Amino acid sequence: QQQVKQSPQSLIVQKGGISIINCAYENTAFDYFPWYQQFPGKGPALLIAIRPDVSEKKEGRFTISFNKSAKQFSLHIMDSQPGDSATYFCAAGNGDTDKLIFGTGTRLQVFP
Amino acid sequence: DAGVIQSPRHEVTEMGQEVTLRCKPISGHNSLFWYRQTMMRGLELLIYFNNNVPIDDSGMPEDRFSAKMPNASFSTLKIQPSEPRDSAVYFCASTATGEWTEAFFGQGTRLTVV
Repeated sequence: QQQVKQSPQSLIVQKGGISIINCAYENTAFDYFPWYQQFPGKGPALLIAIRPDVSEKKEGRFTISFNKSAKQFSLHIMDSQPGDSATYFCAAGNGDTDKLIFGTGTRLQVFP
Repeated sequence: DAGVIQSPRHEVTEMGQEVTLRCKPISGHNSLFWYRQTMMRGLELLIYFNNNVPIDDSGMPEDRFSAKMPNASFSTLKIQPSEPRDSAVYFCASTATGEWTEAFFGQGTRLTVV
């Protein structure tokens, strides 16, 4: 079922640094690419999302970069903070259904 | 709204026993999803319902797994008989159908089969 590949599996960043997580997908029918953030003991929650008609979306310190031809998208966290320490999941979906396929997750640790 | 409510939060059971996980979606949401989270495979979609009807159950691992949604406010995921490899965190999520909208997840049920 795995149609979304995510890397790295884990990431350690110093406070103030840039965190970058990458995802690649296979199904060209996907037309919605959200990122979810999960804190320990909690369910994932939507962080930011992008449609393939734009190449970049920015919300505060979080930016999604999207490369349709390469079928890749990435999450950039600028000025990473210890409070950003969490597991991040990329996902892909098709507007014909509500189904989301998730990547395997990246555990981010930001040290002060 | 209290969000998506799952019960129990934790379940420990012996191999071979039946396990039932429960989910109450957000009122007004039309789609409900069951996911399984493990370290190795991340978040796997098991099954999803739209308007209480199962739409895609291709992610259900095997016949030991079954899911029902008897009404818009309740769904169950049953494992019978349970096996140690079923140990994982199971999440339920719901969305409003239509334009792409946020999937709201419950807090999950951590299942341990010993």
